[in-house]
Amino acid sequence: AQRVTQPEKLLSVFKGAPVELKCNYSYSGSPELFWYVQYSRQRLQLLLRHISRESIKGFTADLNKGETSFHLKKPFAQEEDSAMYYCALSGYSGGGADGLTFGKGTHLIIQP
Amino acid sequence: ETGVTQSPTHLIKTRGQQVTLRCSSQSGHNTVSWYQQALGQGPQFIFQYYREEENGRGNFPPRFSGLQFPNYSSELNVNALELDDSALYLCASSLRQGNNEQFFGPGTRLTVL
Repeated sequence: AQRVTQPEKLLSVFKGAPVELKCNYSYSGSPELFWYVQYSRQRLQLLLRHISRESIKGFTADLNKGETSFHLKKPFAQEEDSAMYYCALSGYSGGGADGLTFGKGTHLIIQP
Repeated sequence: ETGVTQSPTHLIKTRGQQVTLRCSSQSGHNTVSWYQQALGQGPQFIFQYYREEENGRGNFPPRFSGLQFPNYSSELNVNALELDDSALYLCASSLRQGNNEQFFGPGTRLTVL
C-alpha cells in the first residue's frame, strides 16, 4: 500500500534560518511526488513537483529513491512562508494519473 | 478561466441522513477527484471520475458514491451518515492526460450530529 509520512506536525523557525520539511514515502512502482501548500484562509495549491525540478518561492525538493524521501528545503525562511505543507504522491494506471495520497501535513511557523 | 467551485460551503446533518455535495471543475479539465479531510489530518482520496465513470477509489465504503456529468461537474453522495463522516470534503479537477496538477476547490464543511 502506498503511504506518505511527514514526521513533524509542527515546525517553528526564525526568519532567515534554513527550513527543511521532511517527507518519506512507500510505493511499489515509480510515483510522482508533490508538495502542496495551504496558506491561511486559502485553498490547497500545488507548490512544486519532482518531475519539473523547479524552484518555487525559493523552495526546492529532491526525490531520493534510495531513501524514499522528498524533503522540502529553503535556505532562508520568510514570514510569508508560514502555512500548512502537505507532501503527496500519485501513481499511474490506465493511461493517466491516480488520486493523490497525502501525508498528515506539517504546520510551518516562521517567527520574526 | 474559472477555478474549481464547491457547494454548499458548509452544512449540518444528523446521523443516518444522506447528503449530496457538488463540484464544478476548472475550465478544460476532464477529471474530478474527491478527498475527505478530517480535522488535523491530510486529505484522504475517496475516488476519481473520468469520462463520467469512477476511475480509482480509495479505502471508503460503498455508501460513498459519486457522479460526473457531461460538463465534467461532479457530485459526491454519502448515505447513512455517521458521526465520523464529519470533515472537510475537497474536490479537485485535473486533466487526466496532462501533468496531473490537481486544482482544489475551497471545500464543503460537513458536520454530522
